[in-house]
Amino acid sequence: GIQVEQSPPDLILQEGANSTLRCNFSDSVNNLQWFHQNPWGQLINLFYIPSGTKQNGRLSATTVATERYSLLYISSSQTTDSGVYFCAVGQGGKLIFGQGTELSVKP
Amino acid sequence: GAVVSQHPSWVICKSGTSVKIECRSLDFQATTMFWYRQFPKQSLMLMATSNEGSKATYEQGVEKDKFLINHASLTLSTLTVTSAHPEDSSFYICSARDSSSGRHNEQFFGPGTRLTVL
Repeated sequence: GIQVEQSPPDLILQEGANSTLRCNFSDSVNNLQWFHQNPWGQLINLFYIPSGTKQNGRLSATTVATERYSLLYISSSQTTDSGVYFCAVGQGGKLIFGQGTELSVKP
Repeated sequence: GAVVSQHPSWVICKSGTSVKIECRSLDFQATTMFWYRQFPKQSLMLMATSNEGSKATYEQGVEKDKFLINHASLTLSTLTVTSAHPEDSSFYICSARDSSSGRHNEQFFGPGTRLTVL
């Protein structure tokens, strides 16, 4: 089956810093989503981005489907950005999740 | 829009009992819902795909007789953990696809149900 790898696994930032999270996948996909899982376990949809570039406030994402990777950019990080960020890719309707990047933003 | 609810948010039960978890799409119709399980410090693992009006499709290694799924309507899917044991303790999360929207592959997730089996 399709493999999804996220890097880095852990990231510690000082408030105000920028960061880039990466998601590599092993096969062509028809869906790619980025999520933020908050401390209570809720998955927050950040982007639905099977290809192209999108921006939403301090967050932006780019997916290069032909090269099988996606990037999530977080600018001017805040303590509320802390949590686990998941990339999930879809084939035939199913979503396969990466192992996540645990982000900790220090004040 | 695209809100998914789950009930209960947490449940504690005795070993051997059955537990039912409900997943509802509140503001859209979902012909397809999905059930995931997440153990502490791990990623989400897909358990099964729930299709309205037909049998669920289970992932390899998931016991269909233990995890009963019923997709009774376009807004409700239920997961019943039968004869629960401590190893079934986990965080169960459902998702739904809004097939009527232009982004018909996008999934929206419920807040999860934390199951503890004593």
